[in-house]
Amino acid sequence: KAGVTQTPRYLIKTRGQQVTLSCSPISGHRSVSWYQQTPGQGLQFLFEYFSETQRNKGNFPGRFSGRQFSNSRSEMNVSTLELGDSALYLCASSARPSGGSYNEQFFGPGTRLTVL
Amino acid sequence: DAKTTQPPSMDCAEGRAANLPCNHSTISGNEYVYWYRQIHSQGPQYIIHGLKNNETNEMASLIITEDRKSSTLILPHATLRDTAVYYCIVRVADNYGQNFVFGPGTRLSVLP
Repeated sequence: KAGVTQTPRYLIKTRGQQVTLSCSPISGHRSVSWYQQTPGQGLQFLFEYFSETQRNKGNFPGRFSGRQFSNSRSEMNVSTLELGDSALYLCASSARPSGGSYNEQFFGPGTRLTVL
Repeated sequence: DAKTTQPPSMDCAEGRAANLPCNHSTISGNEYVYWYRQIHSQGPQYIIHGLKNNETNEMASLIITEDRKSSTLILPHATLRDTAVYYCIVRVADNYGQNFVFGPGTRLSVLP
């Protein structure tokens, strides 16, 4: 079974631009969660989608948004990029939504975004 | 904020057992303890999880104290490839719903 895939793996943008990152979950998984990882803040939860609906949302500004398609693939978008948005963006998929009592999340390799 | 505290770093000799402690003194009755690890430049990898009873799988063992206020992840025979940051996570519920909150973790260095 193929793992979680994320594209692109590396991305360089300039301040003020917008960016879209893509995540393909493990086949059969319907939940996709996004995380931001920086040296200073560590791993922080962005949002979770299940069956095309946003279920949970972390404490990030509205410039960060996402969506999920009917095939469970997900995209996240960051508008008006700031230098502080430079980070590793990780996607994780699971078979069940995070509200359940059991939730093993499988992480992708991440997209490393650099904002200049 | 994370509901767990872990030592920032630990060393372990190759071939010996690595015992990684985690304190979660405010855990509630229906919250699970999860362990993940992250090898440099990769996404976190699930290791094991448990509620009350001790658990074992092909990667590790999880020992949870009877009062559930702390736990220990045991890697029985550590190898150099086990060098990673290990995260102990208690699933939390906040205003947005339940999600995983990662703390800074423990950086385990397995030494030859």
